Amino acid sequence: QSALTQPPSVSGSPGQPVTISCTGTSSDVGSYNRVSWYQQTPGTAPKLVIYEVSNRPSGVPDRFSGSKSGNTASLTISGLQAEDEANYYCSSYTSSSTVVFGGGTKLTVL
Amino acid sequence: QVQVVESGGGVVQPGRSLRLSCAVSGFTFSSYDMNWVRQAPGKGLEWVAAIWYDGSNKYYEDSVKGRFTISRDNSKNALFLQMNSLEAEDTAVYYCARGRWLLDYWGQGTLVTVSS
Repeated sequence: QSALTQPPSVSGSPGQPVTISCTGTSSDVGSYNRVSWYQQTPGTAPKLVIYEVSNRPSGVPDRFSGSKSGNTASLTISGLQAEDEANYYCSSYTSSSTVVFGGGTKLTVL
Repeated sequence: QVQVVESGGGVVQPGRSLRLSCAVSGFTFSSYDMNWVRQAPGKGLEWVAAIWYDGSNKYYEDSVKGRFTISRDNSKNALFLQMNSLEAEDTAVYYCARGRWLLDYWGQGTLVTVSS
């Protein structure tokens, strides 16, 4: 169960868009539309921001969006705000009925 | 409102055992799959184990297979993780989370430290 691959860090200026990629395999990301994204700030529990590739839970701003192509999923935050600075993790359901997370991406708002 | 509260963490010596508990309220516990996810200090999230809503199926991350056992008591709205033969690498905050592939409610976690 290898972790999904995310860039360790990304950054952007307020108001600009930023995209975080998440690459898996044909046994996880490529096989299912069961990709989720979580936001975590230090000392707090993860918060679901995107589920099933592109759906937003109630209360998540519409500047958060998700997509998928082949074995790679992406989270895009349009119109960055200072409060978006956090660690972001992708996850996928797998063909073994398990869940695998990405290594995490630290988003810095410049 | 949904509440998820983990307990049972602490400091334990290598090779010993520990049992974590997760108490939930605010939703029909017996209708949802549940998971344990851990996070080592300064590291990322790692899925540990899952159990189906009725306890009929259980799944584990490779490094904990044979050492950890996930279970639930639907009559008490409780989830458990029995951890045996603990290793230093098991040191982490352990989170309880609801769902099968989308984990929509999480507790605040309980810290397990494996150290002599």
